[in-house]
Amino acid sequence: NAGVMQNPRHLVRRRGQEARLRCSPMKGHSHVYWYRQLPEEGLKFMVYLQKENIIDESGMPKERFSAEFPKEGPSILRIQQVVRGDSAAYFCASSPGGGRYEQYFGPGTRLTVT
Amino acid sequence: EDKVVQSPLSLVVHEGDTVTLNCSYEVTNFRSLLWYKQEKKAPTFLFMLTSSGIEKKSGRLSSILDKKELFSILNITATQTGDSAIYLCAVVIGAGSYQLTFGKGTKLSVIP
Repeated sequence: NAGVMQNPRHLVRRRGQEARLRCSPMKGHSHVYWYRQLPEEGLKFMVYLQKENIIDESGMPKERFSAEFPKEGPSILRIQQVVRGDSAAYFCASSPGGGRYEQYFGPGTRLTVT
Repeated sequence: EDKVVQSPLSLVVHEGDTVTLNCSYEVTNFRSLLWYKQEKKAPTFLFMLTSSGIEKKSGRLSSILDKKELFSILNITATQTGDSAIYLCAVVIGAGSYQLTFGKGTKLSVIP
C-alpha cells in the first residue's frame, strides 16, 4: 500500500526559474494539502485541493504560487520566478475525506534556490 | 489568530525514562488534535484526538485531550533511542477546510 509520493525529493533552481513539485496521494484519498517548512519554523499550511477544485488557498502567497489537482495525474505545486526566500521543504499530505481528518504526509521536496 | 504551543521545545532523557510532551491551543472552530513524529523525513501520523478524556494508546505511546482546558499530552514510557525525533502537535480547524495548524514541535533526544 504505497504512501504519499512526492517528486523530486531535491530540486535546485536558480533565481528566476520555475519550480514544479509533484504529489501523488495515497490510494483512495481524494484530498490533498500542501505545507511549507522554512528553516527553524514549523509547518505552515498553503493550499487544500480536491480533484479539479481548489478548496482553500488561504495560506498560499498571492503571487508566483499556484496549485492544481487535475482529474488524472498528480497534484502540482508551481512556483514561478523563484527567489531565495522560497528555499524550504515542501510537504504534501493526503486524507481520505468523508469526515476523516487525519493527514498522511509524503517525504517532501527540498527546494534550494541559488 | 489561531495558535498551537508546544512545550518543552527540546528535551534530553536517558533510555528507559518516561516523558510527557505538552500541547496547548487557542483556535476558533476546533475539530481535532493530531500528533505526529518527524524524523529526517515525512511527519508520521501517531494519533488523532477528538473527544475529551479518552486516552489513545499505541504500544509505549499514549495521548489524551482536555477540551475544557485546551491542551493535550503525549506520553512515552520506557523510551528508546529510536524515539529520538521531533514530535509535532497540530489542530484541525475550520469548517470546510481541514487544514492543520502546527506547533513548532518538541525535539526529543534519547541517549543510551
